[in-house]
Amino acid sequence: KAGVTQTPRYLIKTRGQQVTLSCSPISGHRSVSWYQQTPGQGLQFLFEYFSETQRNKGNFPGRFSGRQFSNSRSEMNVSTLELGDSALYLCASSLHLGEAFFGQGTRLTVV
Amino acid sequence: KNEVEQSPQNLTAQEGEFITINCSYSVGISALHWLQQHPGGGIVSLFMLSSGKKKHGRLIATINIQEKHSSLHITASHPRDSAVYICAVRSKPGGGADGLTFGKGTHLIIQP
Repeated sequence: KAGVTQTPRYLIKTRGQQVTLSCSPISGHRSVSWYQQTPGQGLQFLFEYFSETQRNKGNFPGRFSGRQFSNSRSEMNVSTLELGDSALYLCASSLHLGEAFFGQGTRLTVV
Repeated sequence: KNEVEQSPQNLTAQEGEFITINCSYSVGISALHWLQQHPGGGIVSLFMLSSGKKKHGRLIATINIQEKHSSLHITASHPRDSAVYICAVRSKPGGGADGLTFGKGTHLIIQP
């Protein structure tokens, strides 16, 4: 059974640009959540989707947005990138509120 | 907001030692997760607990809901156990925190 797949694995963007990250969950998982990991703040919750609906949202500015498609794949978008957005972005999928299975992450560097 | 505290922050031990990592939280939860992160970033879910105790191989996780405390134990530790161990909680609905709230992690090094 394939795991959670995140693309791309690495990304370098310039301040002011926007970026879209993709997450394909484990087959059958309808819940997808996104997290940001930085050395200073550790892991922080961004959003959680279930059956195409955003169920929860963390304390991040409106520049961070996401969506989930009917096949449970999810994307997150960050607009007007800032240097502080440089981080490892992790996606996890689960059966609803169950054990979380994480992808390898997308490492975003903003220069 | 749920405050999640882990201790110790760093732990170096010799191969074979019994390891304990602690996690406490401030608000009632519906579930607690123990995660393992190796260099390079990949995170593996070790346990999800809502009560009692779970065991998987050399790993044991316990939770005391009344005391808002969980422990992760590693028996017969091995250098391949070297990793960052992270505690994460999902607050009960209305608990003031959405999604998972994470501890800062325990950096474990097992020396041969």
